[in-house]
Amino acid sequence: AIQMTQSPSSLSASVGDRVTITCRASLGIRDNLGWYQQKPGKAPKLLIYGTSILQSGVPLRFSGSGSGTDFTLTISNLQPEDFATYYCLQDYDYPRTFGQGTKVEIK
Amino acid sequence: EVQLVQSGAEVKKPGESLKISCEGSGYRFTDYWIGWVRQKPGEGLEWMGIIDPDDSDTRYSPSFQGQVTISADMSINTAYLQWSTLKASDTAIYYCARRLDVAGHFDYWGQGTLVIVSS
Repeated sequence: AIQMTQSPSSLSASVGDRVTITCRASLGIRDNLGWYQQKPGKAPKLLIYGTSILQSGVPLRFSGSGSGTDFTLTISNLQPEDFATYYCLQDYDYPRTFGQGTKVEIK
Repeated sequence: EVQLVQSGAEVKKPGESLKISCEGSGYRFTDYWIGWVRQKPGEGLEWMGIIDPDDSDTRYSPSFQGQVTISADMSINTAYLQWSTLKASDTAIYYCARRLDVAGHFDYWGQGTLVIVSS
């Protein structure tokens, strides 16, 4: 199975900051990557798919980039509601695999 | 409005069987694959498997193959996840989710079903 490695596992940031989360695939997955946000006690929410396509209703401060093995989720101008855990997921091959998550905490 | 509504929390003993459900509404059920995702307490997300409700074509993660069975009944717009022999390590929240029609990602999620397996 393709392994997805996220970094960092956690970070502290302030409202208004620019935050970057990285996901690395164990082999090339073209642009078949998405990002999810999960808040405590809630189901995950799809933010981005196809590496950079914003899901409907997701604020423009979220953006994604990359291809092959290295991918990035960027949150510009971090808002209070963005403090959550973020996961990447590859949909290049079965089984699909998630990264281990990145918790974004308030500094 | 698209909704996935999952069955309620379960408390079971090791060795017991269980079947949890996920009912879709607000869309044509057979047009979208339904997947299952596990989240153990305090841990990350694990992709378990996915089913096409139209023809029951199913893909499993090797980590879950043989441990669970994913099925669907399109006549009642419901997908299922079942165990024949539960273990304490199956304690987790299980989410069902609808797969996007243009990519392998999940755009709508159920509320999750908490399964506790304890003697």
